[in-house]
Amino acid sequence: KNEVEQSPQNLTAQEGEFITINCSYSVGISALHWLQQHPGGGIVSLFMLSSGKKKHGRLIATINIQEKHSSLHITASHPRDSAVYICAGNYGGSQGNLIFGKGTKLSVKP
Amino acid sequence: DSGVTQTPKHLITATGQRVTLRCSPRSGDLSVYWYQQSLDQGLQFLIQYYNGEERAKGNILERFSAQQFPDLHSELNLSSLELGDSALYFCASTRDRAQETQYFGPGTRLLVL
Repeated sequence: KNEVEQSPQNLTAQEGEFITINCSYSVGISALHWLQQHPGGGIVSLFMLSSGKKKHGRLIATINIQEKHSSLHITASHPRDSAVYICAGNYGGSQGNLIFGKGTKLSVKP
Repeated sequence: DSGVTQTPKHLITATGQRVTLRCSPRSGDLSVYWYQQSLDQGLQFLIQYYNGEERAKGNILERFSAQQFPDLHSELNLSSLELGDSALYFCASTRDRAQETQYFGPGTRLLVL
């Protein structure tokens, strides 16, 4: 079955803490996306990875293809990072639709 | 601002009714994806159009249909609405390649009473 699984489901952190969200995926996914959904509902694409590591500001995403695992790290977390983080996979071929994990709800306390 | 627009932002309607949701992709994007986000199912792929033609179909009910017009905007039609159709409906767009960053619209929040 093609699927994407995330952990943890909920995460509470203190401002300044280092945060890691994990994602495991099944065989066949050729690219892995990390998305951020704000409390208002809007979805923003953070990263798309097919190998290695990407960094944008305080956010870092890594992927291990052999282990079919990706992580999203947030350094020096801030209350404005509070959101739902969703990983999603693309399967190969011409179809680009995403298969989504259930999301990780992150709350960063001041 | 992703450059993807969706209208309306909110829609309240009754069971049995029909509604149309509209999506305009980013300028130059040929592919449009429709996704449904409900509390119990999370985000699910419904359907994809590429340059006017259907490219992929996901968990889309027979009561739902979509199309992409020559100007590349897309409409998702939901008919014989049920309470369970209440959800956030997102569209996203990409240039053309399958594996690339998707740009999401703000969503349409549908409430069926």
